[in-house]
Amino acid sequence: DTAVSQTPKYLVTQMGNDKSIKCEQNLGHDTMYWYKQDSKKFLKIMFSYNNKELIINETVPNRFSPKSPDKAHLNLHINSLELGDSAVYFCASSPILNTEAFFGQGTRLTVV
Amino acid sequence: GEDVEQSLFLSVREGDSSVINCTYTDSSSTYLYWYKQEPGAGLQLLTYIFSNMDMKQDQRLTVLLNKKDKHLSLRIADTQTGDSAIYFCAESSGNNRKLIWGLGTSLAVNP
Repeated sequence: DTAVSQTPKYLVTQMGNDKSIKCEQNLGHDTMYWYKQDSKKFLKIMFSYNNKELIINETVPNRFSPKSPDKAHLNLHINSLELGDSAVYFCASSPILNTEAFFGQGTRLTVV
Repeated sequence: GEDVEQSLFLSVREGDSSVINCTYTDSSSTYLYWYKQEPGAGLQLLTYIFSNMDMKQDQRLTVLLNKKDKHLSLRIADTQTGDSAIYFCAESSGNNRKLIWGLGTSLAVNP
């Protein structure tokens, strides 16, 4: 059983499109995150959700909107995609805020 | 603000020991973590240490913490080609326990 799963694994889309990435965790964790990893492998936190509530929202364009329908899911919707949005996006979860995190396999987004 | 620094690259020969170093700035950190990222995969928690400990050993992995110097290291004994990956250091600091990440050290193991 996959602990943190995200779909799709690969996403290629044109500039200006709107896309969503889904994430689900079956670990019973209270906290979920979205991270962005750029081409240099630098990892940056985007959002943290605790019990479906937004806790941390780093400096991220408002084209990015997370949605948490329940504790086990945290989806990421991106409007008006730009070339600079190309990256690998990781979903993660942890038992409580900012303790050991379990990561999904990543979604490689390519904007052309 | 809080910061975590690591060297970006390390190259070792198979069978040698690898030592990956990390420094952090926040003296109130409580947990320090090492994550491993293999090519094309997500990050995997390798080990962690509480700030009131100075050493933790787990099979081939040894974590050393020098709290006075705010220095954390990960030693991998008998490094194998399967250990080639990026290793991220992270610390949980402050009252809101925000995770601060290093930029990752890319370990290359040469046969």
